[in-house]
Amino acid sequence: ETGVTQTPRHLVMGMTNKKSLKCEQHLGHNAMYWYKQSAKKPLELMFVYNFKEQTENNSVPSRFSPECPNSSHLFLHLHTLQPEDSALYLCASSQGQGAQYEQYFGPGTRLTVT
Amino acid sequence: RKEVEQDPGPFNVPEGATVAFNCTYSNSASQSFFWYRQDCRKEPKLLMSVYSSGNEDGRFTAQLNRASQYISLLIRDSKLSDSATYLCVVNGAGGSYIPTFGRGTSLIVHP
Repeated sequence: ETGVTQTPRHLVMGMTNKKSLKCEQHLGHNAMYWYKQSAKKPLELMFVYNFKEQTENNSVPSRFSPECPNSSHLFLHLHTLQPEDSALYLCASSQGQGAQYEQYFGPGTRLTVT
Repeated sequence: RKEVEQDPGPFNVPEGATVAFNCTYSNSASQSFFWYRQDCRKEPKLLMSVYSSGNEDGRFTAQLNRASQYISLLIRDSKLSDSATYLCVVNGAGGSYIPTFGRGTSLIVHP
């Protein structure tokens, strides 16, 4: 399935590095999301974009910086991360940002911060 | 009380068994409900939406109990391939269209 793609699939970075995660959706959706999934924790919503505008920032530290140039692409820029930021980062999209819309997830980027 | 609560399990059942999970939610104004399935080291995938009248998709039946604020998922005739984590999602409480995920319930179906 290629509805939502994410690159890279795996990333190892040092605490002083700068890297970016990329997400692309081919579903014609208008809303895109970044989630963090740590071991044995529920998915944590990080950011929401609707029609390219950020509508939610769930108190995410500034070392995570999202960018949404259009409705099909979403980036997460990373800098000076901490080891506790190691997790699976999932991108999702939905037709709109309404309660009735189900989300479609990408395969995720497994991030390890050393 | 957590917004969305699930028994983490694991539920260990033999092939062919019937198993049911519940998910409770705290906000009575929640509008929409979903079950997702997540395989080990994979992304969540939508299993089914949960409608007020209840709905069925093959071996899977989802129900909503608004009075007691929980949703349920029933799996009949379990298959080995049903082994996964089942995530409950609640959305639309108080005009906020932010989906809230439960921690998930782990199901292991054994031969």
